[in-house]
Amino acid sequence: DAGITQSPRHKVTETGTPVTLRCHQTENHRYMYWYRQDPGHGLRLIHYSYGVKDTDKGEVSDGYSVSRSKTEDFLLTLESATSSQTSVYFCAISDSGGNYEQYFGPGTRLTVT
Amino acid sequence: DAKTTQPNSMESNEEEPVHLPCNHSTISGTDYIHWYRQLPSQGPEYVIHGLTSNVNNRMASLAIAEDRKSSTLILHRATLRDAAVYYCIRHNNAGNMLTFGGGTRLMVKP
Repeated sequence: DAGITQSPRHKVTETGTPVTLRCHQTENHRYMYWYRQDPGHGLRLIHYSYGVKDTDKGEVSDGYSVSRSKTEDFLLTLESATSSQTSVYFCAISDSGGNYEQYFGPGTRLTVT
Repeated sequence: DAKTTQPNSMESNEEEPVHLPCNHSTISGTDYIHWYRQLPSQGPEYVIHGLTSNVNNRMASLAIAEDRKSSTLILHRATLRDAAVYYCIRHNNAGNMLTFGGGTRLMVKP
């Protein structure tokens, strides 16, 4: 299995509070991704990174920001959490963009009350 | 639009082959076909991908129609561990985003 960990694995927070999710990899892969998964929507890309300090928006980026200060860590921040951001968040990595397989982490279940 | 069409669910018996279909009638010449699967309470897992030719790996085979408007993921001998949601995804070589649809929920009966 690819070395990807996510922390925390579960979190309950209140509306309006900031939340940061961490994705850590030990594979030295260049690309890192954040997806969210909701019933009826499959997985949707939030943001991705193609190198240190290089990030871009995905399909559902509103309300989220990301940072990547070193190769192994990709942080997802909800500046002011809302109930609509209750979801399961998956981090993924790949060695390159395009048609290289992505390896997914175990997920973080976030509940915003 | 990077849509694919898959049946919502399929059933199989253990140790029998499974053919999971996918339609991608609007596929462009540069789109690859990727398959991922997601076991319960886990992140998606890469299965296989291809462009035009049929592909085989240790997990599965991918048969791509000659006109590329459809493809079939073949599990040669289903096990209980293969029960998962299988996603067929079109992926442009220039893009970074995997667009997941609803997938096919495969149930394997002992």
